[in-house]
Amino acid sequence: EAGVAQSPRYKIIEKRQSVAFWCNPISGHATLYWYQQILGQGPKLLIQFQNNGVVDDSQLPKDRFSAERLKGVDSTLKIQPAKLEDSAVYLCASSLDRGQHEQYFGPGTRLTVT
Amino acid sequence: TQLLEQSPQFLSIQEGENLTVYCNSSSVFSSLQWYRQEPGEGPVLLVTVVTGGEVKKLKRLTFQFGDARKDSSLHITAAQPGDTGLYLCLSSGGYQKVTFGTGTKLQVIP
Repeated sequence: EAGVAQSPRYKIIEKRQSVAFWCNPISGHATLYWYQQILGQGPKLLIQFQNNGVVDDSQLPKDRFSAERLKGVDSTLKIQPAKLEDSAVYLCASSLDRGQHEQYFGPGTRLTVT
Repeated sequence: TQLLEQSPQFLSIQEGENLTVYCNSSSVFSSLQWYRQEPGEGPVLLVTVVTGGEVKKLKRLTFQFGDARKDSSLHITAAQPGDTGLYLCLSSGGYQKVTFGTGTKLQVIP
């Protein structure tokens, strides 16, 4: 079974530029999550999708971050414009359904904003 | 918003020692999961606990869920270098918000 795919793995941009991350979840998984992880800390949920609908985006900085999950499969997360404090690892995860189902994580995208 | 505090934040021990990591919440968990994350990778599930007072064992790892379902612990017996990583608790059951704990970074020195 293929795992969660993310691209790119690394990205370096200057502040005020824009960047987009892509995630392909495990086939058949209804729930998709985007997390932001600062080095050494626990991941912070940015947005949770159930199929192509948003379940929770309460911690997504909506003035600069946006995300979509077209057709309930792949997802993209965009930052525009980026700030220095956006430097982090962005993790995508998927699970069969909401709740206590196991989350499967991709390898993450390490973003550096200079 | 549910807050999950983990302690200790950092732990550096010698191979063969025992250790315990704690996860505490300000509110009741519907269910709790423990994950381990290695550098450059995403977290991987270790266990899910659902019932208050539940104890689960996974080889040298023992997981406990508090009777009141507001805390959980992870005990590792005879730690090995392969146990090195970031240990994370996660609350996501029912209609609770998905929330990770603050994390415990473990280093096991050979």
